[in-house]
Formats: sequence, structure tokens, C-alpha cells
Amino acid sequence: KQEVTQIPAALSVPEGENLVLNCSFTDSAIYNLQWFRQDPGKGLTSLLLIQSSQREQTSGRLNASLDKSSGRSTLYIAASQPGDSATYLCAVTPMNTGFQKLVFGTGTRLLVSP
Amino acid sequence: EAGVAQSPRYKIIEKRQSVAFWCNPISGHATLYWYQQILGQGPKLLIQFQNNGVVDDSQLPKDRFSAERLKGVDSTLKIQPAKLEDSAVYLCASSSVRTDTQYFGPGTRLTVL
Repeated sequence: KQEVTQIPAALSVPEGENLVLNCSFTDSAIYNLQWFRQDPGKGLTSLLLIQSSQREQTSGRLNASLDKSSGRSTLYIAASQPGDSATYLCAVTPMNTGFQKLVFGTGTRLLVSP
Repeated sequence: EAGVAQSPRYKIIEKRQSVAFWCNPISGHATLYWYQQILGQGPKLLIQFQNNGVVDDSQLPKDRFSAERLKGVDSTLKIQPAKLEDSAVYLCASSSVRTDTQYFGPGTRLTVL
């Protein structure tokens, strides 16, 4: 059974810092890995999607890497801003399900202070 | 393009009562998902529809939860009777068959007293 773990559970940084969020998964047989952002009282917003054949994806100040063989992904946020404060979730699509099923981690709560 | 719509946004009920949630996916999206997110945890898939057929309901507690997607568009998720442990945010998402991206609604926060 696929399990996804995120470390740390919470992170507090001052504005301007670069930071890394970690995600690990137990089964490397995945179609892809996604990073989502969740704001309080709102749904999830997809930030980056990395296919299993890719090593990284970039969008603005965000860079996500994937090492499928070791079961790890990182989300790098450059020059953090207070508006980045949210919960960040990673999710994998296991290969053995045959459908677009997502298995989520428990998330990292990020607080960026002005 | 309108996003995924859900209602109600909040619901408070007593245990053993019944409750229903409604979801309207993005127009043209064939796949619809219901997730349960308990406080401090990631979302867990309850049921997945492809058009109006169920493709995965392996984690749906079928003794008390039911879901339907009539005409392959809107969907309802029902809980009857509710238990304290059903307190959670219920998220609906949809996707097209051409992409892997799921678009999520704002969720319904259920509190069972």
C-alpha cells in the first residue's frame, strides 16, 4: 500500500528566505507526483506536476524535483513571501490503480512572517 | 471558466442524523472525485466516477455513505447515519480525460456533535 510522508509538519520562516519542503513515498511505481497548495477554507490548487519520467518542474519561484528510485520529492520555494503561507500537500498517482487516483501526504503548514 | 462548485460550505449536525453534499464539476469534465479530509491529514479518496459510472469506491464506508452522479454531471454524497468520526472537510474534484490535473472545489466542512 502506497504511503506518502511529508516533513516537516510545520515550518515558520522570515520573509525572503529560501526553503525546502520534503515528500517521501514508499512505492516507486507511480505515474506522477503533484504538489498542491491549500489555503484555509479553500480547496486545493495544483502547483506543479512531475511525470515519472521527469526529474523536475519549475514555475516562477517554485521548483519541484523527483527522485523516483529513492521515493523522494522536494519543493523548493525561493525568496519566500507572506503570501506563500499555506499548507503544501504532495500526492502521487500509483501505477497499480489504473485510474487518476491520488494518494496524499499529511502536508506541511508554512508560515512566512513579514 | 467556472470552477468546481460545492454546497453547503458548512454543516453542523448531531450524530445519527443524515446529511447530503452537492457538487457541480467543471463543464465537460468526465471524472469526478469525492475526498474526505480529516483535520491534520491529507485528503483521502472516497469515490471516483467516470461519467455516471463508479470506477473506485474501495475506501467508501458503504454501510453509511452513498454517492451518485446522475446524468454524468452533478453529484451528491450522503451520510446516513452520521458518526462523530465523520467530522471532516469533504472535497469534490473533477478532471478531464485528457489531463492528470484535478481541480478542487472549496469543500464542505462537516461537524458532527
